Amino acid sequence: GDSVTQMEGPVTLSEEAFLTINCTYTATGYPSLFWYVQYPGEGLQLLLKATKADDKGSNKGFEATYRKETTSFHLEKGSVQVSDSAVYFCALLYGNNRLAFGKGNQVVVIP
Amino acid sequence: SAVISQKPSRDICQRGTSLTIQCQVDSQVTMMFWYRQQPGQSLTLIATANQGSEATYESGFVIDKFPISRPNLTFSTLTVSNMSPEDSSIYLCSVQRWTPNDEQFFGPGTRLTVL
Repeated sequence: GDSVTQMEGPVTLSEEAFLTINCTYTATGYPSLFWYVQYPGEGLQLLLKATKADDKGSNKGFEATYRKETTSFHLEKGSVQVSDSAVYFCALLYGNNRLAFGKGNQVVVIP
Repeated sequence: SAVISQKPSRDICQRGTSLTIQCQVDSQVTMMFWYRQQPGQSLTLIATANQGSEATYESGFVIDKFPISRPNLTFSTLTVSNMSPEDSSIYLCSVQRWTPNDEQFFGPGTRLTVL
């Protein structure tokens, strides 16, 4: 079935470093793709989305491009801040508005 | 956006008992969903809560174990029945408004521990 795979393990980096979190998907057709973020002590919220191939979603300095050739939707940010410390989930939308999530990546930004 | 509240926010329960989790939205929504997030795992969809009819369950989840109600367009409940320690998870409801591909908003979650 449709699924999402995220890179393994937490990500620890220094403030102002470049962040990449890899996400690949398996799906029939071209599903909408999302990145959700969960800040400490808060609920899950949508960070950005892309609904078709070559779309670029962006928000709060984060970007992700929907690449059908590589079935990927990698999340990037050029200069992270301590406030970006959170858990990031990649997800895809399949049949009747259901979401399939990746395992999530904990990002820790050190000042 | 949608403001979603869940009750209780957390609970510790004994094996063999049942717990009902409530999800309330501040406005009418088309779709409501229930997810489970087991420790260290991703979110897994349990079911779609349908207003006025039986919920639609995903593979591996059954109505006897997770009965769901949705009496109107702003409220739903999920019951975790005959609990075991394996049911210890965070349970989240999410909602979607009227249009396809619209954003899903998530509630704060209910953290359940079964002893």
